[in-house]
Amino acid sequence: GAGVSQSPSNKVTEKGKDVELRCDPISGHTALYWYRQSLGQGLEFLIYFQGNSAPDKSGLPSDRFSAERTGGSVSTLTIQRTQQEDSAVYLCASSSPGSGRANEQFFGPGTRLTVL
Amino acid sequence: RKEVEQDPGPFNVPEGATVAFNCTYSNSASQSFFWYRQDCRKEPKLLMSVYSSGNEDGRFTAQLNRASQYISLLIRDSKLSDSATYLCVVMGGAQKLVFGQGTRLTINP
Repeated sequence: GAGVSQSPSNKVTEKGKDVELRCDPISGHTALYWYRQSLGQGLEFLIYFQGNSAPDKSGLPSDRFSAERTGGSVSTLTIQRTQQEDSAVYLCASSSPGSGRANEQFFGPGTRLTVL
Repeated sequence: RKEVEQDPGPFNVPEGATVAFNCTYSNSASQSFFWYRQDCRKEPKLLMSVYSSGNEDGRFTAQLNRASQYISLLIRDSKLSDSATYLCVVMGGAQKLVFGQGTRLTINP
């Protein structure tokens, strides 16, 4: 079946501009996660949505970052007033907590963000 | 100290060799453990979950030692297509995955 999809695949923006990144999880997956991977760095957790519960935002690096998930499906990660240090690959993952593979997360192809 | 630590490598081994990766984690309350592989400029892909009793999937064997907080991955009869970065991943609190820095593996013909 279809995996996690993300758009755009690449985004180049100027410092100070806002960007929106989109994630469409695997159909039926109720949990959705955002991570980012900076050059030469490991993946770091940003935010987690599960059903109708309040999201876990503990990984967001600053108040310039926000995310929402509408209708329990598609999610948008917004970065306001982008800075050069925001340049990274932003990865979305989803999982199905009610299934036998509850904790297994499946990743989308990512959005490569470059802030000039 | 990093929450998940791996030897970054790189490991360069000939095709057909057996290679082993190790990983340690610091959060003793961690409940779920995984190995992911990541090819250059691609997303991480789940290789296998790691269970307390150890588990095998074809040429891949994963082991978990909770007492030592240690996870391993063994690849037997390595193939050229096994070349990738292998990520040791631990699920911390609230479903967050915590990734090691990854171990880069190159299989040489």
